[in-house]
Amino acid sequence: AQSVTQPDIHITVSEGASLELRCNYSYGATPYLFWYVQSPGQGLQLLLKYFSGDTLVQGIKGFEAEFKRSQSSFNLRKPSVHWSDAAEYFCAVAPLGNNDMRFGAGTRLTVKP
Amino acid sequence: DAGVIQSPRHEVTEMGQEVTLRCKPISGHNSLFWYRQTMMRGLELLIYFNNNVPIDDSGMPEDRFSAKMPNASFSTLKIQPSEPRDSAVYFCASRGQYGNEQFFGPGTRLTVL
Repeated sequence: AQSVTQPDIHITVSEGASLELRCNYSYGATPYLFWYVQSPGQGLQLLLKYFSGDTLVQGIKGFEAEFKRSQSSFNLRKPSVHWSDAAEYFCAVAPLGNNDMRFGAGTRLTVKP
Repeated sequence: DAGVIQSPRHEVTEMGQEVTLRCKPISGHNSLFWYRQTMMRGLELLIYFNNNVPIDDSGMPEDRFSAKMPNASFSTLKIQPSEPRDSAVYFCASRGQYGNEQFFGPGTRLTVL
């Protein structure tokens, strides 16, 4: 069955520390891959996306993600977290040519001062 | 561009009442999606439209839910009669013809008492 898994429900990091949020997917072929961020009371904002080409993609707010086909993963990273990064992060996949975007359960990020 | 616009931002109603949520997609976008977000079930796709035509409504939970898109710039999601378990945040998203990323509105927080 097609699925998107974010193994970590909640992560806490100190401000200035590095961050990696995990995302794994199960699809028949490489889908389109996305990371969205949701601040409290807000809608979802696209951080970055991967369609093809370079497997390391850069996004907004200093985030990057690496697509690893062999691991069916698309992990989100940031070298130095800021307090304003505290939010919920969603990984999403959309099979090629398909409108059906599936979201992971989300990872809530807390940033300690 | 103003982005995806949703109204109202908050709605409190009593069980049995009719609720209508509204969405204005980004101008020029030809796909529109309605999602529901709850703590228990995360983000669920309810229905989506392409060129104002409903394509997949398999996510609509019950016959009490209905959605329309009378033109390219307006869509509604109606719940009648509403029940307490419908309490959630409802998001509308739109997508352009040549991209796969969806742009989300700020959501409508619905509380059914």
